[in-house]
Amino acid sequence: GIQVEQSPPDLILQEGANSTLRCNFSDSVNNLQWFHQNPWGQLINLFYIPSGTKQNGRLSATTVATERYSLLYISSSQTTDSGVYFCAVQKNSGNTPLVFGKGTRLSVIA
Amino acid sequence: GAVVSQHPSRVICKSGTSVKIECRSLDFQATTMFWYRQFPKQSLMLMATSNEGSKATYEQGVEKDKFLINHASLTLSTLTVTSAHPEDSSFYICSARSRGAGSPLHFGNGTRLTVT
Repeated sequence: GIQVEQSPPDLILQEGANSTLRCNFSDSVNNLQWFHQNPWGQLINLFYIPSGTKQNGRLSATTVATERYSLLYISSSQTTDSGVYFCAVQKNSGNTPLVFGKGTRLSVIA
Repeated sequence: GAVVSQHPSRVICKSGTSVKIECRSLDFQATTMFWYRQFPKQSLMLMATSNEGSKATYEQGVEKDKFLINHASLTLSTLTVTSAHPEDSSFYICSARSRGAGSPLHFGNGTRLTVT
């Protein structure tokens, strides 16, 4: 099946710093989503981004589908950004599930 | 707001008992729902695909007789963990698409199961 690799696995940032999280995938995909899982386990949809660039406040994401990677940018990080960030891809068309990467665990310290 | 509702959010049960988890689509019909499981500090792994009106499709290594899935209506899928054991303790999350194929997958808030 498709492989999804995220890097780095762990990241510690000082509040206010910027960061880039990367997601590589092994095959072409129909869909790519970025999620933030908070300490209570809730998965928050950040971006639905099979290709191109999107921005939402301090977060932005870029997917280069032809090169099989996506990047999540976090600017001016805050302690509330802490948690695990997951990249997940859908390989096939239709109503098929997402395959998740192992995540990047982010800790933002004051 | 949330488009997928999951209940209960947390449950503690004794070994040998069964636990039912409900997943509801809010304001939309979901012919397909997906159930994932997440162990501590690990990623989400697909357990099964729930199909309205037909049998669920289970991933390799997931026991269909232990994890019973019923998708009896277009807005409700249930996962029953039968004869639960401590190793079944995990975080279970359901998901569905509100606008069909090609749209984002939305997740419930998850159910944290602890089997004592």
